Amino acid sequence: DIQMTQSPSSLSASVGDRVTITCRASLNISNYLHWYQQKPGKAPKLLIYSVSTLQSGVPSRFSGSGSGTDFALTISSLQPEDFATYYCQLTYGAPCTFGQGTKLEIK
Amino acid sequence: EVQLVQSGAEVKKPGESLRISCKGSGYSFINYWITWVRQMPGRGLEWMGTIDPNDSYTNYSPSFEDHVSISYDESISAVYLQWNSLEASDTAMYFCAKVHRRPFYFDYWGQGTLVTVSS
Repeated sequence: DIQMTQSPSSLSASVGDRVTITCRASLNISNYLHWYQQKPGKAPKLLIYSVSTLQSGVPSRFSGSGSGTDFALTISSLQPEDFATYYCQLTYGAPCTFGQGTKLEIK
Repeated sequence: EVQLVQSGAEVKKPGESLRISCKGSGYSFINYWITWVRQMPGRGLEWMGTIDPNDSYTNYSPSFEDHVSISYDESISAVYLQWNSLEASDTAMYFCAKVHRRPFYFDYWGQGTLVTVSS
């Protein structure tokens, strides 16, 4: 199975900060890398698919980048509603794999 | 509007059976895979398995394939996740999600079904 390593596991930041979360795969996964946001007690929400394509309705302060094995989710200017847990997801082959999650907290 | 609506919370005893459901609307249900994801209390997301409603072909994570089954009821456009014998470790929130075609991301999610297994 392909291994996914997401970091950091938690992150404290302030409103207006720029933050980056990374995911590393154990081998080249092409564009099969996606990002989700989850708030407490809610279902995950798709933010970015195929590395860098913003899902409809997602604010442009969210962006995705990377290629091959290294990928990143960047929030350019944190808003109060962005404090949540973020997951990367690999859908290359089976089984589908989620990263361990990054909990983004208010500093 | 695409919607996936899941059945309500369940409280069960170890050894009991359970089936939870996921009903879709607002799109051609038969043309998109449905997947199930587990989230144990305070933990991350785990993919359990996927079904193609078009032919009921299923694909399971090795971590779950011997303990759950996924099925489809065409008459009501519903997908089910079933256990024959629950364990306390099955206590979790379960989400269904619609799978977009290649590269297979999960674009719409149900609201979740909380399953509690306790003696």
